[in-house]
Amino acid sequence: DTGVSQDPRHKITKRGQNVTFRCDPISEHNRLYWYRQTLGQGPEFLTYFQNEAQLEKSRLLSDRFSAERPKGSFSTLEIQRTEQGDSAMYLCASSPGTGGGHHQETQYFGPGTRLLVL
Amino acid sequence: AQSVTQLGSHVSVSEGALVLLRCNYSSSVPPYLFWYVQYPNQGLQLLLKYTSAATLVKGINGFEAEFKKSETSFHLTKPSAHMSDAAEYFCAVRGTGRRALTFGSGTRLQVQP
Repeated sequence: DTGVSQDPRHKITKRGQNVTFRCDPISEHNRLYWYRQTLGQGPEFLTYFQNEAQLEKSRLLSDRFSAERPKGSFSTLEIQRTEQGDSAMYLCASSPGTGGGHHQETQYFGPGTRLLVL
Repeated sequence: AQSVTQLGSHVSVSEGALVLLRCNYSSSVPPYLFWYVQYPNQGLQLLLKYTSAATLVKGINGFEAEFKKSETSFHLTKPSAHMSDAAEYFCAVRGTGRRALTFGSGTRLQVQP
């Protein structure tokens, strides 16, 4: 069973450019989460999907950020008009959700995408 | 709202010594509690979790944690540190009714030879 994968692993962009990250969750995991982690801090929740439905968004998710999970499998996170403050590690996680037994609430994390905005 | 406090941003121990990483949580409802480990430039790996089944939880790599409701604590311990334990450790809480995890700011563990 492969784990959560994220692409790209690293992204360097110039301020004002748009970037898009992809996350492939563990197969058959219904729930998918995005977090942001800045240096020296713990991850902060951004948004959460149950299948294709985006059920929760943090107020950290400004209108420049948009996330999709069109077919309930992979997800994309887009940042428009990037700012230097967007530089961070973007982490994706998935969990089984319903039917996962006692693991259903456990979130499994991918390796992250490190974004640097110049 | 849930919150997590990890006391000590850096902890240094000698190889073979006891590891104790502290975590206190705030939650208005019985929580789910987690410890994750993060190695440099990697994602988070689950060490162990508390889901109300047992107060003493055993995890991977010899780590364990004890849930103490009266102290609102979930400290992580390991009897004997190994060099490979050097990493960043995060405590996280998920309250009933929410899916998002709230993380502490992390504790960097150094293991001295």
